[in-house]
Amino acid sequence: NAGVTQTPKFQVLKTGQSMTLQCAQDMNHEYMSWYRQDPGMGLRLIHYSVGAGITDQGEVPNGYNVSRSTTEDFPLRLLSAAPSQTSVYFCASREDGGNQPQHFGDGTRLSIL
Amino acid sequence: DAKTTQPPSMDCAEGRAANLPCNHSTISGNEYVYWYRQIHSQGPQYIIHGLKNNETNEMASLIITEDRKSSTLILPHATLRDTAVYYCIVRFNYGGSQGNLIFGKGTKLSVKP
Repeated sequence: NAGVTQTPKFQVLKTGQSMTLQCAQDMNHEYMSWYRQDPGMGLRLIHYSVGAGITDQGEVPNGYNVSRSTTEDFPLRLLSAAPSQTSVYFCASREDGGNQPQHFGDGTRLSIL
Repeated sequence: DAKTTQPPSMDCAEGRAANLPCNHSTISGNEYVYWYRQIHSQGPQYIIHGLKNNETNEMASLIITEDRKSSTLILPHATLRDTAVYYCIVRFNYGGSQGNLIFGKGTKLSVKP
């Protein structure tokens, strides 16, 4: 049981480039979410999804797009990377509703030059 | 979601109990108290959660005051591997956006030999 898998683990981009951060879970969880974490800060919610075909914005959605075509996958797209998006990105999933805890991936460390 | 207040840092001697406090004075009746920890920029790890009764699992104990305005996470015999940032979060037991986790800055626990 792999849990939540994020790829890549590290990435360096140039300003203006685009890329997709991948997130997959094998627990059949309906709820998935993306966070970013900047140095010395807690995690901030970017986007979340309560099921296939449904996404919504979190606290800091600007500059990011998401889609949810399957239950398992929840990719995060940077359309035109900016240095302010240098951060560590975490994906998480849980069963929707009730009081189930979230399971987090190991993160993607992204640097924008 | 209710706001939580945690001390920014704490020290604990190895082998002793670590008691991490959290204030959540505006918690509502349907909000659970969750504890996560993050070890050296890894993905956050779920520890324990509760509503009003004290809870215990293999990792920790959670003590919630009768008025539910504060709680304490107890690591009974802290080890060096428990050095981490500990996050106290209150969350509705509903689905969708009401189930989002909102992270603060947490408490950095340093376990010393």
